[in-house]
Amino acid sequence: GAVVSQHPSRVICKSGTSVKIECRSLDFQATTMFWYRQFPKQSLMLMATSNEGSKATYEQGVEKDKFLINHASLTLSTLTVTSAHPEDSSFYICSAPDPGLAGDEQFFGPGTRLTVL
Amino acid sequence: KQEVTQIPAALSVPEGENLVLNCSFTDSAIYNLQWFRQDPGKGLTSLLLIQSSQREQTSGRLNASLDKSSGRSTLYIAASQPGDSATYLCAGPVTGANSKLTFGKGITLSVRP
Repeated sequence: GAVVSQHPSRVICKSGTSVKIECRSLDFQATTMFWYRQFPKQSLMLMATSNEGSKATYEQGVEKDKFLINHASLTLSTLTVTSAHPEDSSFYICSAPDPGLAGDEQFFGPGTRLTVL
Repeated sequence: KQEVTQIPAALSVPEGENLVLNCSFTDSAIYNLQWFRQDPGKGLTSLLLIQSSQREQTSGRLNASLDKSSGRSTLYIAASQPGDSATYLCAGPVTGANSKLTFGKGITLSVRP
């Protein structure tokens, strides 16, 4: 199947700093990518839809000024958590549908564990 | 709004048992349905995708079915192994390709040696 990578896999930062997470589609082009957040023992919660060349679409309750999304190319989307606080500590996962596959099967990155001290 | 339900939340079975994981959804206009596996602290691995025009898909010991009219999908695991222990999630977009996935809460499976 298609491969989606994320970097970094794990980050620890101080409260008030900003953290950037990268999501890359390695062997296909993705005009759309999705960003999810997952708290311990809970399911994935969609945060936003990242659209190449246009603004991201945020889910209700997600602060767009706090979670900045940039989809600068067909293979890269970035999520920046600005002025991170301990409550932002979570597991962040991105996904992308591969348009070359039947049914636009979605593939997920390995996730980024963010810990804000 | 699509809602996806997976019951039970956790399941423990002895090795070798055949088992069925259930997934139900409220909106029958589902474009496709995917089953994923998640190991602790890891991302999601796509197991099977069933398109809306299909009724089932098979991969190795896994078989997934989709019944849109009843709003149900099942994942059948044959001859379970300890390595199958993980959380299994189902998800599907409603409106079509590139639309967001709605996830169930997952079923945490433990296969005892």
